[in-house]
Order: sequence, then structure tokens, then C-alpha cells
Amino acid sequence: DVKVTQSSRYLVKRTGEKVFLECVQDMDHENMFWYRQDPGLGLRLIYFSYDVKMKEKGDIPEGYSVSREKKERFSLILESASTNQTSMYLCASSSPGPPRDEQYFGPGTRLTVT
Amino acid sequence: DAKTTQPTSMDCAEGRAANLPCNHSTISGNEYVYWYRQIHSQGPQYIIHGLKNNETNEMASLIITEDRKSSTLILPHATLRDTAVYYCIVRVAYNTDKLIFGTGTRLQVFP
Repeated sequence: DVKVTQSSRYLVKRTGEKVFLECVQDMDHENMFWYRQDPGLGLRLIYFSYDVKMKEKGDIPEGYSVSREKKERFSLILESASTNQTSMYLCASSSPGPPRDEQYFGPGTRLTVT
Repeated sequence: DAKTTQPTSMDCAEGRAANLPCNHSTISGNEYVYWYRQIHSQGPQYIIHGLKNNETNEMASLIITEDRKSSTLILPHATLRDTAVYYCIVRVAYNTDKLIFGTGTRLQVFP
């Protein structure tokens, strides 16, 4: 069974802390994505990566960075956490090509910054 | 901005077919229609996608109108586990492009 796992389901951090969210996929996918989901705003793309050591900014990259040292792992880093980064964070992976072309999502990490 | 319009919510009796509509009047010739759903407290899950022909898989059927300006996702025999938010997305297929999720349709299946 294909799987995308995220390091934590729930996380509570203090303002100013450096936060690492880890995502691992076991499908040998080239593409990996980080989204955040907020009520009324839907899912918004933060960063994505289409290869090891490659990264591209999404729609809302400010305050975040990413790391992809290995194909299966994509990390989201909050350099100095702030309360407006309290959100649900979702990781996804994909390998574009017929016939299915789907993004596989992890279960999400609900981050609270106090 | 999302390029699709969906009703905010729908109800369906368990065992009946759930028909979820989506409007995508500005769809381009090379864009596909995708459906995902998100069950409470889980990540979104792919359901199906299509270009212009009707598609069916083990989860659902997708009916796309001839002019491609609208489509309907059909869950043939809805169960309580199908209660979720359903998202209709249009995008060019088979590339790295992000998924743009709108607000979706909240489907409530009742006993």
C-alpha cells in the first residue's frame, strides 16, 4: 500500500522556535509538495520539489524553507515560528504519468504556535 | 483562484447514488477534471480524473458534458464512510503543477 507519512499528527511550539516538519514517501516519487490548510482559505501551496535538492516556491513561501536531501524525504522548516503559522500542514507526493496522475497526501500535522 | 464552482453542501441517503456537480465553464482544451475528497482529519484522497469521455473506477464515475463546461461525480451506492468534502479541480495533466483546491462540496451521508 502506498504511503506518505508525516512525523507528527499534533505539534505545539512556542513563538520564535525553529520547527521541522518531516515527510517521507515510499513510492519513489519525483515530486513532493507542502500545503497548509486553513478554514475558509482551503489548501495553499507553500513549496514543492521535483527532484532531489531542487525546490520551487509555491504561493505562500514567506516564513518557510524546505530541504530535500533524499528522494523520499521532504522537510518543511519554520525558521522562527509565529502564531499566524498555526495551521494544518499537509505533505503530498506524485509521479506524473498515465494513467492515474494523482497526488498522495499524508495524514497532516496540526501545528499550534503559542 | 479556483476555476470551478461547486455547491457548498449536499445530503444523500445511505445506499443511494450521490451526484456531485461541478461547473468549470472556463476549462481549457488541455485541462483535465480531477476529483479529490477529504474525510475529516485526514489528507485529501484522489478519486478520479478525465478529459472528455466518461470515466469509471472502483470508487466512482465521472460524467463530463460534451461541451466540457461541467461534470458530475457519481458515488453509486453511498455509505456513511463517504461523508467528506469533495473537491473538483481542473488542471493540465501529468505535470508537476500544484492542485488548486476550492471550497468543495460537503457531502453528508445519512442512515
